[in-house]
Amino acid sequence: QKEVEQNSGPLSVPEGAIASLNCTYSDRVSQSFFWYRQYSGKSPELIMSIYSNGDKEDGRFTAQLNKASQYVSLLIRDSQPSDSATYLCAVNNRNAGGTSYGKLTFGQGTILTVHP
Amino acid sequence: DGGITQSPKYLFRKEGQNVTLSCEQNLNHDAMYWYRQDPGQGLRLIYYSQIVNDFQKGDIAEGYSVSREKKESFPLTVTSAQKNPTAFYLCASSGVAGNTIYFGEGSWLTVV
Repeated sequence: QKEVEQNSGPLSVPEGAIASLNCTYSDRVSQSFFWYRQYSGKSPELIMSIYSNGDKEDGRFTAQLNKASQYVSLLIRDSQPSDSATYLCAVNNRNAGGTSYGKLTFGQGTILTVHP
Repeated sequence: DGGITQSPKYLFRKEGQNVTLSCEQNLNHDAMYWYRQDPGQGLRLIYYSQIVNDFQKGDIAEGYSVSREKKESFPLTVTSAQKNPTAFYLCASSGVAGNTIYFGEGSWLTVV
């Protein structure tokens, strides 16, 4: 089983719709969760981080975390063609010493296409 | 402006050559990382460093080497032992206590 798995794409939604991206992780001690957006040929850019169970909203983006189910999702409301990109889920696990230093494990990414 | 600078953006390597990718950050971050991305794939960790003069292997360190002589700099050498080096290489940094990783713009390496 992969450490971080994302729903297989590509995902295509019409402009104005809600895009739902899902991610599951295998390590129960995972502490921090991130969503990055990556345009073709570019480096990833952070769009959301979440650390506690529940929802976190930032503009049109909402991240949802359920640690009991080992599941994190990203909702994009009012999707725009400019949202078309690959979305990467990343999970940060604590090292053996119990400190967290930002070593992320990434999922394989989900390609999102928003069509006019 | 604060950020992470990678160079060169495009690099071509001949068979049997070693090449070095540069990564410099002025964010005053303690931790730095190198990731590799193959087409249509996620990111895989090559090496990481939490402090100067110390670094650890990631998941795919074979055929690569790094150094961390200065806090700002974390160069990656792709050696001739790396048999399939064609990929997109990403340098990143984060504060030791923080969780958020920020990426440079990446370097494309192609074997010719």
